[in-house]
Amino acid sequence: QLQLQESGPGLVKPSETVSLSCTVSGGSISSSTYHWGWIRQPPGKGLEWIGSSYYSGSTYYNPSLKSRVTISVDTSKNQFSLKLSSVTAADTAVYYCATYSGSEGNFEYWGQGTLVTVSS
Amino acid sequence: DIQMTQSPSSVSASVGDRVTITCRASQGISSWLAWYQQKPGKAPKLLIYAASSLHSGVPSRFSGSGSGTDFTLTISSLQPEDFATYYCHQANSFPITFGQGTRLEIK
Repeated sequence: QLQLQESGPGLVKPSETVSLSCTVSGGSISSSTYHWGWIRQPPGKGLEWIGSSYYSGSTYYNPSLKSRVTISVDTSKNQFSLKLSSVTAADTAVYYCATYSGSEGNFEYWGQGTLVTVSS
Repeated sequence: DIQMTQSPSSVSASVGDRVTITCRASQGISSWLAWYQQKPGKAPKLLIYAASSLHSGVPSRFSGSGSGTDFTLTISSLQPEDFATYYCHQANSFPITFGQGTRLEIK
């Protein structure tokens, strides 16, 4: 059974870039079964898909964030990462990493989430 | 982008009640729909995928139906642990889009 764990700074200043990592255990990130994705949830609000990446490097981003987002996979560390640039208070949210199955169309495994607050 | 609209936004019910939550897509998505349960401070948990397939380990009181644009999640007999917020999302095309959520509260 896969386990995912997010890590990164809890507080970021406006206009900076936030970098989050998701460490995968219990399986290989090179598996062809899953895409590796990020989803966020502003406090008290709903879920927003940020993007997903396949181990081969193909990526899909939410057009609303595409100009500021990079998702990459590091097979040597069994990790994948999210970089979000030029952050504002609107990017304050709990950020979740999750597996996405393209064949079943679902997010099966999730990390516990990490709160990122954008504030000076 | 495909818009997903859930209704109701919130519902109050009692233990043992049957509850139905609806998710409507702004265009046809075949059966590419999943449902999640989220409790406060926790990550969402997958309940249903492909509109009607029950995820492993999910109690059989949860069921999903629908295709095209209209979908439902039904809980046949509410248990105390079912009070939570429920989300749908479409997986027909990128960007993946979620419904706004339905909060299920104890009456």
